Amino acid sequence: GNSVTQMEGPVTLSEEAFLTINCTYTATGYPSLFWYVQYPGEGLQLLLKATKADDKGSNKGFEATYRKETTSFHLEKGSVQVSDSAVYFCALMNTGFQKLVFGTGTRLSGQS
Amino acid sequence: GAVVSQHPSWVICKSGTSVKIECRSLDFQATTMFWYRQFPKQSLMLMATSNEGSKATYEQGVEKDKFLINHASLTLSTLTVTSAHPEDSSFYICSAGRGGNTEAFFGQGTRLTVV
Repeated sequence: GNSVTQMEGPVTLSEEAFLTINCTYTATGYPSLFWYVQYPGEGLQLLLKATKADDKGSNKGFEATYRKETTSFHLEKGSVQVSDSAVYFCALMNTGFQKLVFGTGTRLSGQS
Repeated sequence: GAVVSQHPSWVICKSGTSVKIECRSLDFQATTMFWYRQFPKQSLMLMATSNEGSKATYEQGVEKDKFLINHASLTLSTLTVTSAHPEDSSFYICSAGRGGNTEAFFGQGTRLTVV
């Protein structure tokens, strides 16, 4: 079956620190991969996505590369800000379907 | 484009009553919508797939008679939590896809508290 494994949090980082949130997946076929962000009290917002191997998704300074050989889609940001504090979800979607399989989420707290 | 609106954003109800949550695609037609549930500090779990004009497909372990889903039009799906109990208190969120687009667009979510 399809599954997403995400590093557990919470992750607490000082402002301008480098961020990595690990995500690996198991899937049949060739899924699309996503990172969603959930700010306190809000719904989910798409942060970035990649639809095929070696694609790099990027947005707001965040980036993630679809690595088929390691079945990974790690999220990185070079300089985290306090405003990045949120819960980050890694997810996959199998081709032809629009339902998502989510990881457990990683809570990030940026400190000034 | 691709806006999904969910209403209400929060609701408090008494135990034993029913609550209806609406999910609307505002600027596109969605033949399929999805309902997720999120427990505090946990991930989102798919509850059911809502299909326009036909019965919803429920995930294993989700009670069909408790969580009634109606997808009566291409822009509206509703989730009714029947005979709600405190353990149904949760964050419910819907999503919709647009045509062949692989991206899912989420509503704002509804926080349900049953007292």
